[in-house]
Amino acid sequence: QKEVEQNSGPLSVPEGAIASLNCTYSDRVSQSFFWYRQYSGKSPELIMSIYSNGDKEDGRFTAQLNKASQYVSLLIRDSQPSDSATYLCAAHMWRALTFGSGTRLQVQP
Amino acid sequence: DAGVTQSPTHLIKTRGQQVTLRCSPISGHKSVSWYQQVLGQGPQFIFQYYEKEERGRGNFPDRFSARQFPNYSSELNVNALLLGDSALYLCASSLEAKETEAFFGQGTRLTVV
Repeated sequence: QKEVEQNSGPLSVPEGAIASLNCTYSDRVSQSFFWYRQYSGKSPELIMSIYSNGDKEDGRFTAQLNKASQYVSLLIRDSQPSDSATYLCAAHMWRALTFGSGTRLQVQP
Repeated sequence: DAGVTQSPTHLIKTRGQQVTLRCSPISGHKSVSWYQQVLGQGPQFIFQYYEKEERGRGNFPDRFSARQFPNYSSELNVNALLLGDSALYLCASSLEAKETEAFFGQGTRLTVV
């Protein structure tokens, strides 16, 4: 079982819609979770961090954490073509970030 | 403020050679971590350094080594390069060794031929 799992996609949504990205993790001890955006050929860019159960909003982005279910999600409202990228979920485990393989998001104009 | 800087950006090496990659963290950040990312995968943890000491090591062979300098910059060395070492090598900078946010540099694209 992978430690952080994501659906590889691609997830295709029309412009202006809500994109919902999901992630599950295996280590119950993990306390810190992060979402990174990675454009093709570029390095990951941190877009959200979340440490406690519930929702955290930043602009068009909302991260949701449910530690009991070991589940993290990212909602992107009013999706734009510029949001088309791979989204990496990461959990802090044993002194390092453990990443999922990423979900590719395509926003159709 | 300058972000995380890595050098070089691209590198081509021959099997069996050795390579050194460099990283300068964000000013004020004391922790540097190294990750390897192959196409289609998420980054894989290689090392973490904090205050010049190794604080964590991932599941990589001894051909991989690293160090951190007094100014918190870091080098990653890979000896006896294999074709499978071809990847994007990422340096991440964070304030501390604890579970704080990590910011990546632009990466070094290593191709082994």
